[in-house]
Amino acid sequence: AQSVTQLGSHVSVSEGALVLLRCNYSSSVPPYLFWYVQYPNQGLQLLLKYTSAATLVKGINGFEAEFKKSETSFHLTKPSAHMSDAAEYFCAVSDSQGGSEKLVFGKGTKLTVNP
Amino acid sequence: DAGVTQSPTHLIKTRGQQVTLRCSPKSGHDTVSWYQQALGQGPQFIFQYYEEEERQRGNFPDRFSGHQFPNYSSELNVNALLLGDSALYLCASSLVGAGTDTQYFGPGTRLTVL
Repeated sequence: AQSVTQLGSHVSVSEGALVLLRCNYSSSVPPYLFWYVQYPNQGLQLLLKYTSAATLVKGINGFEAEFKKSETSFHLTKPSAHMSDAAEYFCAVSDSQGGSEKLVFGKGTKLTVNP
Repeated sequence: DAGVTQSPTHLIKTRGQQVTLRCSPKSGHDTVSWYQQALGQGPQFIFQYYEEEERQRGNFPDRFSGHQFPNYSSELNVNALLLGDSALYLCASSLVGAGTDTQYFGPGTRLTVL
């Protein structure tokens, strides 16, 4: 079964610094991978998705992620953090076994941005 | 374009009671999935409905049941509530056959069981 592991439950950066949130996946087939963001007391918003079209995926709000098969990674980056980026970020893999494409999520990484 | 909507926003129940949560999918979507997100955890898949049938189920007991209506909206029912059922319940909608079945989430229903 597919799974994802997010390294680091909390990440703290200064405003203007690079954001790097790590995600490694385990999949027996070419995966579909996603990053979602969750602001306090809200649902999940799709940031970006990898569907094998291109290894570097650009998303909303200046985020991007690179699919590296050799490292089984799909890390999320943003060159310059803004205060508004403070939120929890979830990496997910689509598991199509069983006839539907359920999402399997990591445990999340809480991003804090310091002024 | 209306996104995924859920009701109610918050709900407080006591142990042993039953609860019904509601979800309306994004316009044009035909598939609804439900997830449970416990505090400090990632969402966990409960089940998915397509064409008014349960298409797949996660590792949740039979106390969790659902329904999909002809207009694609959906309900999640939980019977005999336990303290451990306290969580944010998220509904996500997607379109079968759209390639990646990208799921779009609603704002969630916060259930508190006392």
